Amino acid sequence: AQSVSQHNHHVILSEAASLELGCNYSYGGTVNLFWYVQYPGQHLQLLLKYFSGDPLVKGIKGFEAEFIKSKFSFNLRKPSVQWSDTAEYFCAVNAHPSGTYKYIFGTGTRLKVLA
Amino acid sequence: DTAVSQTPKYLVTQMGNDKSIKCEQNLGHDTMYWYKQDSKKFLKIMFSYNNKELIINETVPNRFSPKSPDKAHLNLHINSLELGDSAVYFCASSQGPGTGGTGELFFGEGSRLTVL
Repeated sequence: AQSVSQHNHHVILSEAASLELGCNYSYGGTVNLFWYVQYPGQHLQLLLKYFSGDPLVKGIKGFEAEFIKSKFSFNLRKPSVQWSDTAEYFCAVNAHPSGTYKYIFGTGTRLKVLA
Repeated sequence: DTAVSQTPKYLVTQMGNDKSIKCEQNLGHDTMYWYKQDSKKFLKIMFSYNNKELIINETVPNRFSPKSPDKAHLNLHINSLELGDSAVYFCASSQGPGTGGTGELFFGEGSRLTVL
């Protein structure tokens, strides 16, 4: 069965620190990869996605992620975080071996940025 | 203009009651979903419909029954509510890139259900 692991459950950083959140998935076939952000009390919003092509993808608000196929990883990065980045971050995988789109989410990483 | 809208946003009810949550999307997507987010923020897929046809039905109690009257609507009815049903329920929609879409999920704002 497909699964997504996010190793960091809680991360606390000071403003201007660099961020890297890990995401690994288990599925041997073609996958589409996503990072979503959920600000307190809000719904999930797309940060970035990878379908094919350049494995380094850039998203909104200065976030980027790198797909490393050999490591089954899709880590999220931001060079300098801001207080407003405080949120829950979810990695998701969409594997569709039979044509059915099933989006599997990781358990989330809670990021707190200290002003 | 809200893309994926859910009603109600908040539900507080007693154990044993029946309740429904409605979802509508105006994005023209062909696939809709229900996700449950528990108190630890874990997101678990419950159901998915493609063009009104049920395509994903995860291990969910029979008390939960989805209904899709058309591809723009997906409702969730819950019978005999239990304490463990307390959660935030998110509706989402998508359109695959192979059919002219962008492939990501668009989420509604969630419906917070509290069972007392």
